[in-house]
Amino acid sequence: EAQVTQNPRYLITVTGKKLTVTCSQNMNHEYMSWYRQDPGLGLRQIYYSMNVEVTDKGDVPEGYKVSRKEKRNFPLILESPSPNQTSLYFCASSLSSGGHDEQYFGPGTRLTVT
Amino acid sequence: EDQVTQSPEALRLQEGESSSLNCSYTVSGLRGLFWYRQDPGKGPEFLFTLYSAGEEKEKERLKATLTKKESFLHITAPKPEDSATYLCAVHPSGTYKYIFGTGTRLKVLA
Repeated sequence: EAQVTQNPRYLITVTGKKLTVTCSQNMNHEYMSWYRQDPGLGLRQIYYSMNVEVTDKGDVPEGYKVSRKEKRNFPLILESPSPNQTSLYFCASSLSSGGHDEQYFGPGTRLTVT
Repeated sequence: EDQVTQSPEALRLQEGESSSLNCSYTVSGLRGLFWYRQDPGKGPEFLFTLYSAGEEKEKERLKATLTKKESFLHITAPKPEDSATYLCAVHPSGTYKYIFGTGTRLKVLA
């Protein structure tokens, strides 16, 4: 089944404790992206990747890191999480590197930072 | 600055009562406009892509249209299972980014 998977689905952590949220897609997509979704603010793009080893900042990159060492995986790293990073996170992928195709979204990761 | 605004924020309809959702956008150039449906606790699910003014796409009770400044998602004779949040997104020309609106929460009452 074609899908985007994220792990973990739920995470409660404390301020400053490094964490990684994994994202994997099995559709051989070039483009991958991370979003956060907050009430009243909608989906905001954190980082995106046009291909392996090629990443760039979205609109809200502060406090996050990403890497794209393999085509299928695009982990999101929070090196020192803070309470304002409490949010619902989505990973997405699309076929072409130009990013103009429809995106397929993962099921989401709900992160709480205390 | 590239921007997407959706209205209304929330909409309650009776089953069978047709209506339209609006997505207004401001971009220097449009590569594509996307509509997604999002159910509570789930990731957005793709509905339509529109690329140029005048384009229309249909799927069951949904029809999406595009002008140079806005897009409409028309819902004809909705059913309770159409209840969801509908998201609009744009892909501006010359970028690799997507910009989402804040969505319209639709509730269809039986």
